[in-house]
Amino acid sequence: SAVISQKPSRDICQRGTSLTIQCQVDSQVTMMFWYRQQPGQSLTLIATANQGSEATYESGFVIDKFPISRPNLTFSTLTVSNMSPEDSSIYLCSSRAGYNTEAFFGQGTRLTVV
Amino acid sequence: DQQVKQNSPSLSVQEGRISILNCDYTNSMFDYFLWYKKYPAEGPTFLISISSIKDKNEDGRFTVFLNKSAKHLSLHIVPSQPGDSAVYFCAAAVYNQGGKLIFGQGTELSVKP
Repeated sequence: SAVISQKPSRDICQRGTSLTIQCQVDSQVTMMFWYRQQPGQSLTLIATANQGSEATYESGFVIDKFPISRPNLTFSTLTVSNMSPEDSSIYLCSSRAGYNTEAFFGQGTRLTVV
Repeated sequence: DQQVKQNSPSLSVQEGRISILNCDYTNSMFDYFLWYKKYPAEGPTFLISISSIKDKNEDGRFTVFLNKSAKHLSLHIVPSQPGDSAVYFCAAAVYNQGGKLIFGQGTELSVKP
């Protein structure tokens, strides 16, 4: 199993500012993903973080708002840019070692935008 | 377009009895299914999975059943324990879509002593 560390675990930010969330996996993994869980909602996939190339974004999410980096097989960052109160959510990093394996999750970053 | 659906937002069960959580999907290309458990302020924790080539997978108190013709899967927990109280999410994946998981809305299970 993989252990995923996310930081910060929570933050309160002013609207219009940006926050970068870091995700560190304790082993090399093939796939890394970023999810969002809005209050009372399910987990929604934001994007697949691709090593050394641009992330693959899901419908409704764009690179200008959620830039993602993945410089190597164990580390990724998600930036929430120009934040508004609607961005208040839990952001979760996830990894999978391969197809037909389970995905592991970090503990999440609880973001509140005021 | 909600491809994975959990139609029961909550379920209450007596300790020692069976908990049955249900999940339906619409995309016939899904070939791998997973169940996760989530406590508040924590990330989801993997419970059990099943490949589309199987119709049942068992791990201790947890059993997942897959009915491909009905596009339905269920998680059985027996016997249920108060520590099982959490939100349960089902998720599905397609082999050739980069490994991403699509989640249902979740079912909050409450196991009463």
